[in-house]
Amino acid sequence: AQKITQTQPGMFVQEKEAVTLDCTYDTSDQSYGLFWYKQPSSGEMIFLIYQGSYDEQNATEGRYSLNFQKARKSANLVISASQLGDSAMYFCAMREFETGANSKLTFGKGITLSVRP
Amino acid sequence: EAQVTQNPRYLITVTGKKLTVTCSQNMNHEYMSWYRQDPGLGLRQIYYSMNVEVTDKGDVPEGYKVSRKEKRNFPLILESPSPNQTSLYFCASRASGSPPEQYFGPGTRLTVT
Repeated sequence: AQKITQTQPGMFVQEKEAVTLDCTYDTSDQSYGLFWYKQPSSGEMIFLIYQGSYDEQNATEGRYSLNFQKARKSANLVISASQLGDSAMYFCAMREFETGANSKLTFGKGITLSVRP
Repeated sequence: EAQVTQNPRYLITVTGKKLTVTCSQNMNHEYMSWYRQDPGLGLRQIYYSMNVEVTDKGDVPEGYKVSRKEKRNFPLILESPSPNQTSLYFCASRASGSPPEQYFGPGTRLTVT
C-alpha cells in the first residue's frame, strides 16, 4: 500500500478563493510527522507547513493551514485567499519516527494547482 | 544565508561517463539525503547520511554511491551513468532535533544519453 496518497487530478482555483489539497497517509507508527512542500515551475522544493502526530492543534503558517484528521489518516492542505504565485506542484510527505529512523521523507506523487486570475 | 547548494544545476552526459554531483550545507546539519524526482513518482530517497562517515541506502540506491567525509558535504557519485538515471536530483539536510523540516537544494537536472 502507498504510504502517501494524493489522488486529485490537476486542481484549479479562482484567485482570492480558498482551495483544499487532499492527502491521506498510511503508517503503523504512533509518532510521525506530516509535511507539505511546494514546487513551482522553477523546480525548487519549498517547505510550507508541518504537523506532528501528537500535535493537538492543526498547524497554520500564514495562508496555509493543515486540516489534520488523525482517525481518518488525512492531512489536507488548505490555502486561503489564493494568489497567482500559488500555481505550482504540491507534495505531501511523511516521516515515520519509529520505523523511519533514517530521516527519510516519503512523498506522494503531487498535485498540480493552477490559480486563475 | 542558511542554504543547501548543489552543483552543477544542469548536466548532460553520455552513458558510462563517471560524474559527481556536489552538495553542501552551511547549517551544521547532521542528516543529509539524496532524492530523485521522476514524473508521476514523487521524490524517492537514494542514500542518506546520519553524520560524518555514516551512510546507508535509501529506496533506490542502485547505480549510485555517496560519501560523507565532512559534515557539510555529501556528494552523489554515478560511476557508470545509464539513461534510466535521467532525473531531477535533490540534496536535502536537516538537524537532528527541531526544526523538523528538511531543507532542499535547488536541484540538479541530469540527462544521460
